Amino acid sequence: KNEVEQSPQNLTAQEGEFITINCSYSVGISALHWLQQHPGGGIVSLFMLSSGKKKHGRLIATINIQEKHSSLHITASHPRDSAVYICAVSDYGGSQGNLIFGKGTKLSVKP
Amino acid sequence: DVKVTQSSRYLVKRTGEKVFLECVQDMDHENMFWYRQDPGLGLRLIYFSYDVKMKEKGDIPEGYSVSREKKERFSLILESASTNQTSMYLCASSPYTDSEGRYFGPGTRLTVL
Repeated sequence: KNEVEQSPQNLTAQEGEFITINCSYSVGISALHWLQQHPGGGIVSLFMLSSGKKKHGRLIATINIQEKHSSLHITASHPRDSAVYICAVSDYGGSQGNLIFGKGTKLSVKP
Repeated sequence: DVKVTQSSRYLVKRTGEKVFLECVQDMDHENMFWYRQDPGLGLRLIYFSYDVKMKEKGDIPEGYSVSREKKERFSLILESASTNQTSMYLCASSPYTDSEGRYFGPGTRLTVL
C-alpha cells in the first residue's frame, strides 16, 4: 500500500470550474507539500503546511492532521493551471529532509 | 530569485558510458537531493546530502553514486549507464530545517541507448 495516495489520478475540467485534488497519507508527518509540475519537467513548490489552511492567489491548501488528509483547491480554473499536482509528506520517522511522494494528479483545464 | 540549475535538459548516452549529471544551487542550502521520475512510479529518491562530503542513500541508489565537494554543487554519477536508467532526473535543495519547502531544478531527461 502506498503511504501517500492521491485522487483522482486524472482530472479534466472546463475553464472557470472549481477543482479539488485530494491527498491521504498513512504515516506520521511533520509537514505536507503540494508541488506543481508543468509539461517539460520543472517542479514548483506551491505550499508547505503542517496545520490548517494556506492560500496563494486562486490556490488553497488545507490539511486535517487527525484524518491524515489534505486537499488542494483551485478556484476559477484556467488552462494555464493544466499540470501534474503532486502531494508529498515529510515523514517523522524518515531520513532527514526526505519526502514521500504521491503519484500525482494530472489536471487538464479546457478553454 | 532562488535557483537550482542542472547541467543539461536533454542527454543521450550509450550503454556502458559513465554519465555525470550536475546540479548547482545558489541559496546556500544544506540539503540537496537527486530524484528520478518515471511514468506510473512518481518521484523516487536516489541519494541525498545534508552537508559537504556527506551523502545518504535513498530508495534506489543501485547503479548510482554522488559527489558533494562544495556546498552549492551536487553531482550524480552513473558509473556504467544502462537502458533501465533512461529517465527524468530531478535535483532539489532545501535549507537544513526544510522549513521553506523544496526547490527543484528543471530536470534532465536522460536517454541511454
